[in-house]
Amino acid sequence: QKEVEQNSGPLSVPEGAIASLNCTYSDRGSQSFFWYRQYSGKSPELIMSIYSNGDKEDGRFTAQLNKASQYVSLLIRDSQPSDSATYLCVIEGSGAGSYQLTFGKGTKLSVIP
Amino acid sequence: KAGVTQTPRYLIKTRGQQVTLSCSPISGHRSVSWYQQTPGQGLQFLFEYFSETQRNKGNFPGRFSGRQFSNSRSEMNVSTLELGDSALYLCASSSTPTETQYFGPGTRLLVL
Repeated sequence: QKEVEQNSGPLSVPEGAIASLNCTYSDRGSQSFFWYRQYSGKSPELIMSIYSNGDKEDGRFTAQLNKASQYVSLLIRDSQPSDSATYLCVIEGSGAGSYQLTFGKGTKLSVIP
Repeated sequence: KAGVTQTPRYLIKTRGQQVTLSCSPISGHRSVSWYQQTPGQGLQFLFEYFSETQRNKGNFPGRFSGRQFSNSRSEMNVSTLELGDSALYLCASSSTPTETQYFGPGTRLLVL
């Protein structure tokens, strides 16, 4: 059973601060890692993907992956109230030629103006 | 390009009934996955279809079934509805199973 663990939060940060979201996963065979953002009442949308160890930056977002520690994180710099949402850590593993996404339960982020 | 569409958006059923939900993927996408989202369990994988074939299935009872048509549209069916089936059902499409998945707006099902 593949598991993805996230702190459910809520995580509250002041506007302009750095928000740090963390995730651990159980399947060492996982190949791909994603962060999805879900606003209340909306469907998830992909914001970052990362496939190899290290950091990947996209605008105000930085994803970090450490496969040895089975750890993924997302940093949001200069947090804005519009970043307030639930962030879902997602892993994709492969087995027998099929691909399946396993979602964490999400961390709720609240950016305080 | 139009996004993933799901119909209906909202549905109210009673226990014991059955329901069929529909998903139209982004044009050109051949892979469709279905997920159930509840406050307690989060997003859970139901099944994945590619080129009309079910490639993967999550840990759900046989009351949950699906299919994909030759135009890549997909339907999922839940028979003998239970109160616990109340959830947001999300469909996601991708060009192939290994590509990025894009989610539809979901169908919110309430079972009374």
